[in-house]
Amino acid sequence: QKEVEQNSGPLSVPEGAIASLNCTYSDRGSQSFFWYRQYSGKSPELIMSIYSNGDKEDGRFTAQLNKASQYVSLLIRDSQPSDSATYLCAVLSGGYNKLIFGAGTRLAVHP
Amino acid sequence: AAGVIQSPRHLIKEKRETATLKCYPIPRHDTVYWYQQGPGQDPQFLISFYEKMQSDKGSIPDRFSAQQFSDYHSELNMSSLELGDSALYFCASSSRRGGNTIYFGEGSWLTVV
Repeated sequence: QKEVEQNSGPLSVPEGAIASLNCTYSDRGSQSFFWYRQYSGKSPELIMSIYSNGDKEDGRFTAQLNKASQYVSLLIRDSQPSDSATYLCAVLSGGYNKLIFGAGTRLAVHP
Repeated sequence: AAGVIQSPRHLIKEKRETATLKCYPIPRHDTVYWYQQGPGQDPQFLISFYEKMQSDKGSIPDRFSAQQFSDYHSELNMSSLELGDSALYFCASSSRRGGNTIYFGEGSWLTVV
């Protein structure tokens, strides 16, 4: 079992819809969780960080964390074609010493 | 704002050669991470440093070594290069005092021929 699990997709949504991305992790001691967006051949770009149970909103993005269920999600409202990318869930593990990525979910937003 | 700087951005080496990648973290960041990302794969953790000391080690081959210097920049040394080492290598940095948000550099493309 991978330490961080994501559905690889592709997840296809129409422009203007809500895209929902999910992630589970295995290390119960993890305290810091991140969503990165990555375009092909580019470096991961931080979208959201979340540290406490509940929701955290930033513009069109909402991250949700449930530590009891070891589950993190990212909602993208009013999806745009420019949101088409791979979304990587990442969990800071081993104390603060390593950031473990999921395999990423490919999101395709079609006009 | 200053970002994580990596050099060189592109590197072509032959099999069995040696390559060195450099990383300059965001100023006042105390932690550096190195990742390897092959085509179509997620980034794989190689190694991390906190305050110039190695803090964790991932799937880094024995042919690879890394260190963090007194000015906090880090270097990843790769020897006896193999074709399978061709990948995008990312460096990232964070500050434990600043909330642990991890920022990535633009990466160094290594092609082994």
